[in-house]
This record gives sequence, structure tokens and C-alpha cells, in this order.
Amino acid sequence: NAGVTQTPKFQVLKTGQSMTLQCAQDMNHEYMSWYRQDPGMGLRLIHYSVGAGITDQGEVPNGYNVSRSTTEDFPLRLLSAAPSQTSVYFCASSYSIGKMNTEAFFGQGTRLTVV
Amino acid sequence: KQEVTQIPAALSVPEGENLVLNCSFTDSAIYNLQWFRQDPGKGLTSLLLIQSSQREQTSGRLNASLDKSSGRSTLYIAASQPGDSATYLCAAYSGSRLTFGEGTQLTVNP
Repeated sequence: NAGVTQTPKFQVLKTGQSMTLQCAQDMNHEYMSWYRQDPGMGLRLIHYSVGAGITDQGEVPNGYNVSRSTTEDFPLRLLSAAPSQTSVYFCASSYSIGKMNTEAFFGQGTRLTVV
Repeated sequence: KQEVTQIPAALSVPEGENLVLNCSFTDSAIYNLQWFRQDPGKGLTSLLLIQSSQREQTSGRLNASLDKSSGRSTLYIAASQPGDSATYLCAAYSGSRLTFGEGTQLTVNP
């Protein structure tokens, strides 16, 4: 059971470049989300999805796009990378969000540097 | 807006000591609270999930409690070991999201 898989693990981008961070889970979880982790600011929610075809914005969505065409995959797109997007990005999944909430599982993270 | 605070930010203890990590949250209308461990450069590993109807959960040397009315959770680590050194994060589920504290960095000295 692979759990939550993120690729790539490391990436360096030039300012203005675009890229997609991949996230896949094999647990048939409905809820998936993306966080960024920065020193002194903790983990902040970027975007989330409660199921295929449904996405919504989190706390810091500007500069990022998401889509959810399948239950398994939830890619995060950086449209035009900026140095302020240098961070560690984590993808997470769980069965649902709300009163039937269950344990959240996290990927190993993608370390992104924008120069 | 939910806010989660963890105290202390850092803690250094000798091996064998019992210790308590604190987590407080501002909105008591939470569904669950989850404790994680994060090692340097690594992802988050789930330690314990406490559902809103529960008061505590135990796993090995770890015990987590939840008091929704006071907006507090504690993580108790018994007989600490150097391998317990890591950052411990708590996160509260409310609305449609998980809100994290900034973590407590624990160092257990041999």
C-alpha cells in the first residue's frame, strides 16, 4: 500500500516558469488537499477537493491551480513561479471531511526552490 | 477562523523523562484532532486521531487527550527516548479543513 505519493521530491524553477506537482493516493480517499510549509508559518492550506470534479480554495490559493479529474490524483499547478513560492509542499488525503472524518495521511513532500 | 497554538515551541529533556505537549484551538466546533510527528526533511507521520466524541486515545507510550469545551489537547509521552526527537504537530478539523499549529520541537538527550 503506497499511501500518498508525491513527485518530484525536489525541484528548482526559474522565476516565471510553470510546473505541476503530482499527488496520487491509492486508498480511495474522497478528500485531498495541498499545503505549503514555511518556517515560522506552519502548514497552510492552498487548495482542497472533496471529490472528483470538486475543488475549493484554502488559505493561500493565489498563484496555484488545481483540478480533480479522478479520485486518485490531485495535481497542483504553479502558473508563473515566483520566489515567494519557494517552500515545501505537502499533499494529504483522508476518507472525508466533516463529521465522518478519518485520519489524514500525508505524502513525503516536494521541496521547491524558485530562483 | 480556527487558530491552533502549540506550547512550548521547543523542549529539551533528558532520556527517560515523561513529558506533555500542549495544543489549544480557538473554535471548539471541531470534528477531530490529530497529532503528527515530523522528522527533519521528512513528511508528516500520523500518531493519534481523537474523534470529537472521545476524550483520549493511546498508542504505546503516547496518550492524547481532548477537551473541546476548553479548546485544549495534550500529548503525553512516557519514558522519552532519543528516537522521540522530532517536531510534533497538532491539527484540528473544523469546517472543511485541517488547521495546524506551528509545532513543538522536541529533543531527548541521551
